[in-house]
Amino acid sequence: AQSVAQPEDQVNVAEGNPLTVKCTYSVSGNPYLFWYVQYPNRGLQFLLKYITGDNLVKGSYGFEAEFNKSQTSFHLKKPSALVSDSALYFCAVRETGTASKLTFGTGTRLQVTL
Amino acid sequence: DGGITQSPKYLFRKEGQNVTLSCEQNLNHDAMYWYRQDPGQGLRLIYYSQIVNDFQKGDIAEGYSVSREKKESFPLTVTSAQKNPTAFYLCASGPSGGRYNEQFFGPGTRLTVL
Repeated sequence: AQSVAQPEDQVNVAEGNPLTVKCTYSVSGNPYLFWYVQYPNRGLQFLLKYITGDNLVKGSYGFEAEFNKSQTSFHLKKPSALVSDSALYFCAVRETGTASKLTFGTGTRLQVTL
Repeated sequence: DGGITQSPKYLFRKEGQNVTLSCEQNLNHDAMYWYRQDPGQGLRLIYYSQIVNDFQKGDIAEGYSVSREKKESFPLTVTSAQKNPTAFYLCASGPSGGRYNEQFFGPGTRLTVL
């Protein structure tokens, strides 16, 4: 069965500093990986995805993520954080052969301060 | 939140009552999903449908029911059998068979049992 782990409940970073939100996954086949962001009392917004190819994936709002097959990780990164990036971030995985089901991590709250 | 609408935004229910949450999409997506979100638990899949008149149980289907009579609509009924229904409910849609494709989320319905 596929699974996702987000080991940090919260990440705190100062505005202008780089940020990393961690995600590790477990699948038996090839993974398709996704990052979403959720602002308070809103639905999830898609940020980026890894399907195949280049291990560094660029997405919306200046975010990027690095796929590392040997470490089974897909960490979300941004070179310079903004206060407006403060939100809840979810990593998700879909396994090859799995119908359409996504499995989500428990979420990491990012807090960016001035 | 794309072309997915959920109503109502807030819903209050007395114990023992059934309530129905609405989800409509105009994205021409074949697949639709219902998730439940609780603090610290991420998103859990309740039901999903890949085509009209067909749907499958997700990981936490007990106490819930759905129908898919139209491509655009996927209502969720929270029955009195659901022991702890207070949560934030999210509807999503996506292309069927689209392992590579992200899901698009509605704005959510917050259900509170009084």
